[in-house]
Amino acid sequence: EDQVTQSPEALRLQEGESSSLNCSYTVSGLRGLFWYRQDPGKGPEFLFTLYSAGEEKEKERLKATLTKKESFLHITAPKPEDSATYLCAVGGSGGYQKVTFGTGTKLQVIP
Amino acid sequence: DVKVTQSSRYLVKRTGEKVFLECVQDMDHENMFWYRQDPGLGLRLIYFSYDVKMKEKGDIPEGYSVSREKKERFSLILESASTNQTSMYLCASSPPPIREREGRETQYFGPGTRLLVL
Repeated sequence: EDQVTQSPEALRLQEGESSSLNCSYTVSGLRGLFWYRQDPGKGPEFLFTLYSAGEEKEKERLKATLTKKESFLHITAPKPEDSATYLCAVGGSGGYQKVTFGTGTKLQVIP
Repeated sequence: DVKVTQSSRYLVKRTGEKVFLECVQDMDHENMFWYRQDPGLGLRLIYFSYDVKMKEKGDIPEGYSVSREKKERFSLILESASTNQTSMYLCASSPPPIREREGRETQYFGPGTRLLVL
């Protein structure tokens, strides 16, 4: 059974204070690792897909990296508008299109 | 941009009522999904569909059914609503891997429907 664990559950940063969110996973045959951002009361918004260890992707202040066991979402010089819950998910080979989600990291950036 | 819409943002229903949640996507995606999201449990897959009139059970299908009569529309049905079905319901769609340029199996979500069953 595919599993995704995200840490920390919650993170509070000062504006400009860089940090990283962790996503540890176990999956039979990784098809893709996905990062989403979710604002309160809204659906998840797609950020990145990573396919293989060593891959990195960037978008504005966010950078996602992938190893064989975990992924990191690095946030550089965050701003208050980066406050959200960040979800990690993996697609394994165990079922067509089946994706397993973590419970998320709730990020709060204080001005 | 991919657009996934859901028929209601908020719903309040009584125990025992039949509830219909509608989802429409405008990107001609083959695959559509229904999840529920609860605090501490994350997103859990209820049902998904990879083609018109096709459906597959997810992890928690009990108490739910689905309908996909048209490619763009995927409906979730609560046959007899119960209080433990109070939740945030999220619909998503994705293209099949062969057509996806940005990423394989990337799912795009709607805004969600917050359902309260009294």
